[in-house]
Amino acid sequence: KQEVTQIPAALSVPEGENLVLNCSFTDSAIYNLQWFRQDPGKGLTSLLLIQSSQREQTSGRLNASLDKSSGRSTLYIAASQPGDSATYLCALGGGGNKLTFGTGTQLKVEL
Amino acid sequence: EAGVVQSPRYKIIEKKQPVAFWCNPISGHNTLYWYRQNLGQGPELLIRYENEEAVDDSQLPKDRFSAERLKGVDSTLKIQPAELGDSAVYLCASSAGTSGNFYEQYFGPGTRLTVT
Repeated sequence: KQEVTQIPAALSVPEGENLVLNCSFTDSAIYNLQWFRQDPGKGLTSLLLIQSSQREQTSGRLNASLDKSSGRSTLYIAASQPGDSATYLCALGGGGNKLTFGTGTQLKVEL
Repeated sequence: EAGVVQSPRYKIIEKKQPVAFWCNPISGHNTLYWYRQNLGQGPELLIRYENEEAVDDSQLPKDRFSAERLKGVDSTLKIQPAELGDSAVYLCASSAGTSGNFYEQYFGPGTRLTVT
């Protein structure tokens, strides 16, 4: 059974700081890995999707990496802004189109 | 293009009462998912439909939960009777295609259920 862990559970940083969110998983037999953002009271917004054969994906200030051999992924956010405040979830895509989610990192970017 | 639509957005009920949630997926998406997200946790899959067929309902508590997807489009998730532990956010998602390849899932805003 796939187990997904996200560290830290919560993070507070000043505006402008670069930061890294971590995701670790136990089963490397995955189709892909996704990073989602969830704002309070809202659904999930997909940020980046890394296919199993890829090592990283970039979108704007976001960069996600995938290392299947070590069972780890990182989400790097450059020059953080207050609007980045949200909960960030990683999810592993497995057989049967099933997503297994981590517990999330709650990020707060302060002015 | 309209996203995944869910209603209601919020629901408060007393325990032992029934409740139903509705989901309208993105047009043309064959696969529909229902997830439950407890406070401080990631979403967990309850059931997955490919067209009208429930192809994975292994995590659905079948004693009190039921779901249907008539005509392979809209879906309804029902709880009867509700228990205090059912308080959570219920998320619906949809994706194009069916299993065999991995298709990106798109999520609705969710229904926040509070059972008192």
